[in-house]
Amino acid sequence: EAGVAQSPRYKIIEKRQSVAFWCNPISGHATLYWYQQILGQGPKLLIQFQNNGVVDDSQLPKDRFSAERLKGVDSTLKIQPAKLEDSAVYLCASSNDPGTPEYFGPGTRLTVT
Amino acid sequence: SQKIEQNSEALNIQEGKTATLTCNYTNYSPAYLQWYRQDPGRGPVFLLLIRENEKEKRKERLKVTFDTTLKQSLFHITASQPADSATYLCALEANAGNMLTFGGGTRLMVKP
Repeated sequence: EAGVAQSPRYKIIEKRQSVAFWCNPISGHATLYWYQQILGQGPKLLIQFQNNGVVDDSQLPKDRFSAERLKGVDSTLKIQPAKLEDSAVYLCASSNDPGTPEYFGPGTRLTVT
Repeated sequence: SQKIEQNSEALNIQEGKTATLTCNYTNYSPAYLQWYRQDPGRGPVFLLLIRENEKEKRKERLKVTFDTTLKQSLFHITASQPADSATYLCALEANAGNMLTFGGGTRLMVKP
């Protein structure tokens, strides 16, 4: 069974530029999550999708972050414009149902200079 | 405010000993508690899930306890090996379908 795929693995941008991350979850997983993990901290949930609907985006900075999950499969997370404090690893995860174990991708390491 | 605390200092133990990691929480009533392992440059990997009505759960050399009175979970690795060296994260979920909130993780170093 293929795992969660993410791209790119690394990205370096200057502040005020925009960036997009892509995630392909495990086949058949209805729930998809985006997390932000700052160095030395645990992952923080940004947004949770159930199929193509948003379940929780209470911690998503909506003035600069946006995410979509078209057709209930792949998802993209965008930051526009980026700030220095957005430097982090962005993790995508998926699960069969909420309340079940989450399977994480390798993450995208973003550096904002 | 809600808080999940894991020891931020690394835990160093000798190979063959039992490693015990702690997860304390305040102002939560979690229905589920999960433990994940994270290696450098990789995403977290699920290890164990324990429900609020379960006291203990085991999987091979791993054991998790969940004390809702003390608001604490203990994660044990018996007969530890250098390959067990990683960061271990605990995560709480208030109810099925609610967001998973992670602690800061504890780094475990097992020396041969």
